[in-house]
Amino acid sequence: AQTVTQSQPEMSVQEAETVTLSCTYDTSESDYYLFWYKQPPSRQMILVIRQEAYKQQNATENRFSVNFQKAAKSFSLKISDSQLGDAAMYFCAYRSASFGGGADGLTFGKGTHLIIQP
Amino acid sequence: GAGVSQSPSNKVTEKGKDVELRCDPISGHTALYWYRQSLGQGLEFLIYFQGNSAPDKSGLPSDRFSAERTGGSVSTLTIQRTQQEDSAVYLCASSFLASGSYEQYFGPGTRLTVT
Repeated sequence: AQTVTQSQPEMSVQEAETVTLSCTYDTSESDYYLFWYKQPPSRQMILVIRQEAYKQQNATENRFSVNFQKAAKSFSLKISDSQLGDAAMYFCAYRSASFGGGADGLTFGKGTHLIIQP
Repeated sequence: GAGVSQSPSNKVTEKGKDVELRCDPISGHTALYWYRQSLGQGLEFLIYFQGNSAPDKSGLPSDRFSAERTGGSVSTLTIQRTQQEDSAVYLCASSFLASGSYEQYFGPGTRLTVT
């Protein structure tokens, strides 16, 4: 079974600064997908960014980028120019590229609570 | 277009009662997922539907939990004889697997409180 670990329960950053959230995972598979989701107090899980394991290039979405290190099984999220609206819980998630046997759902980390200081 | 919707938004029930939670996925999304989010267990995957069928029900916490999907659209998660440990936020998500992206789009969740 796959596991996802987020070692930072809480992070704080000054507005306009850069912050990096850590995520490591454990799997024996070679093909999979990784995601970062944001969950504000409204409870709505919002997809921030995704990475296919077969792609060497790190994904980027505007101010959000990842550092994907497949050999190290590491998938960190960098948020540049932090904004007050970035304050939320951030979850790292893993999805196998296989189907069946429980592989269909996402495996989530415990989350990191990101605080933005004005 | 409309996102994933869930109802009710909040539900308070007495221990031992049955509850039904509803999920309406994004139109055209063939895959539908249920998750449970609780303080102690974090986010847990419960069950997945491809069309109307659920290939694997082993993620359901107990035999008090059941789920169905009809017409390839709306899904209901039923919890019978609710217990206090069932208190959690139940999240539904949908995706269009044929797109190859595996992205899941989530609804706002139903917060269930068992008293």
